[in-house]
Amino acid sequence: DAKTTQPPSMDCAEGRAANLPCNHSTISGNEYVYWYRQIHSQGPQYIIHGLKNNETNEMASLIITEDRKSSTLILPHATLRDTAVYYCIVRAPHTGTASKLTFGTGTRLQVTL
Amino acid sequence: DSGVTQTPKHLITATGQRVTLRCSPRSGDLSVYWYQQSLDQGLQFLIQYYNGEERAKGNILERFSAQQFPDLHSELNLSSLELGDSALYFCASSVGGGGPGNTIYFGEGSWLTVV
Repeated sequence: DAKTTQPPSMDCAEGRAANLPCNHSTISGNEYVYWYRQIHSQGPQYIIHGLKNNETNEMASLIITEDRKSSTLILPHATLRDTAVYYCIVRAPHTGTASKLTFGTGTRLQVTL
Repeated sequence: DSGVTQTPKHLITATGQRVTLRCSPRSGDLSVYWYQQSLDQGLQFLIQYYNGEERAKGNILERFSAQQFPDLHSELNLSSLELGDSALYFCASSVGGGGPGNTIYFGEGSWLTVV
């Protein structure tokens, strides 16, 4: 699986956009980028995933660079409840077998008043 | 609510004992994954089952075993427990066998404390 690099921590003011970067320079052409978050020992929560195109859902937007070597997760209006550890994961396409998620250390996002 | 159900939520047991953690995947999901999260190790993949068959193995100790039953629920058995086995154990599920387009959803975990 391609390795990801994320800043260990970030701060964001409530109501502002939180932009969480992820570097995955060794990503292969058919590997997906997934984002999960974990709020204080709760189960990891799926946020969004993408392959090449930018993606948006009710939680966030995912911007993937054209060369796919990096991506940014955007929480458009961060709230205190978005305080969590955010994991960027590249998922290998083990078609027909296993495709587990390999978690790194993530980015601890602190949203403040 | 992810739809993945884990029981028990909390468990305290003594060293040397054996425990069983149970997981019910989301309706329709055929794959079940088990993860361990301890303070110093982060989230570690243990094992995956797909439709009753073992599909992938990670850093699972020999003292640990798992199975997936015909009704697709899964159990993780931990035996000869040691203090270092104290951790959060997460179950997750996905529709398919793990192709990258199959999103994996996690349960809320089982807290195991070994004393």
